[in-house]
Amino acid sequence: DAGVIQSPRHEVTEMGQEVTLRCKPISGHDYLFWYRQTMMRGLELLIYFNNNVPIDDSGMPEDRFSAKMPNASFSTLKIQPSEPRDSAVYFCASSLPGWEQYFGPGTRLTVT
Amino acid sequence: QKEVEQNSGPLSVPEGAIASLNCTYSDRGSQSFFWYRQYSGKSPELIMFIYSNGDKEDGRFTAQLNKASQYVSLLIRDSQPSDSATYLCAVNDNNDMRFGAGTRLTVKP
Repeated sequence: DAGVIQSPRHEVTEMGQEVTLRCKPISGHDYLFWYRQTMMRGLELLIYFNNNVPIDDSGMPEDRFSAKMPNASFSTLKIQPSEPRDSAVYFCASSLPGWEQYFGPGTRLTVT
Repeated sequence: QKEVEQNSGPLSVPEGAIASLNCTYSDRGSQSFFWYRQYSGKSPELIMFIYSNGDKEDGRFTAQLNKASQYVSLLIRDSQPSDSATYLCAVNDNNDMRFGAGTRLTVKP
């Protein structure tokens, strides 16, 4: 299996622009998670899906953030408009119910 | 608020020594416990999981769980420089996975 795939690996954008991060989970995994990691705040859960349905989005920082999972093999995390404080590494992870999460390589986002 | 606490370190041990990493959690309903290793610039990777009280050994790694004390630890025996990384403790309750801030471990040759 190819593992969790994320794109792009690096994204540099200007404040106010829309940013879309993409994730393909491991085939057969029912759960998909979006995390944000910074030095100051560590690894934060933003939102997770079960069978393509958002279950808990309490970690989404603001209305500028939105996530979708239109099918079992694809999810997006969108930030609109982006701000410098959104600069972080964004990880996608997937898992079977109750089991360990497998992380993608991450997207390093820089907002200038 | 469910909390997972770890000492941020850095923890420094000489090569060949035992490294001990500790984690406490606040939610008594937590069901499963994981240790992830994260090298600088890389994504977290699972190294151990434990569900029951007691010890679980896998090679040089031993995970210890004490649910009464809400405490989970990771021991690394015969530490190697390649073990230098940040170790993240994660606690899962019905797919609500919470991560600690991580402990940075440095193994000196």
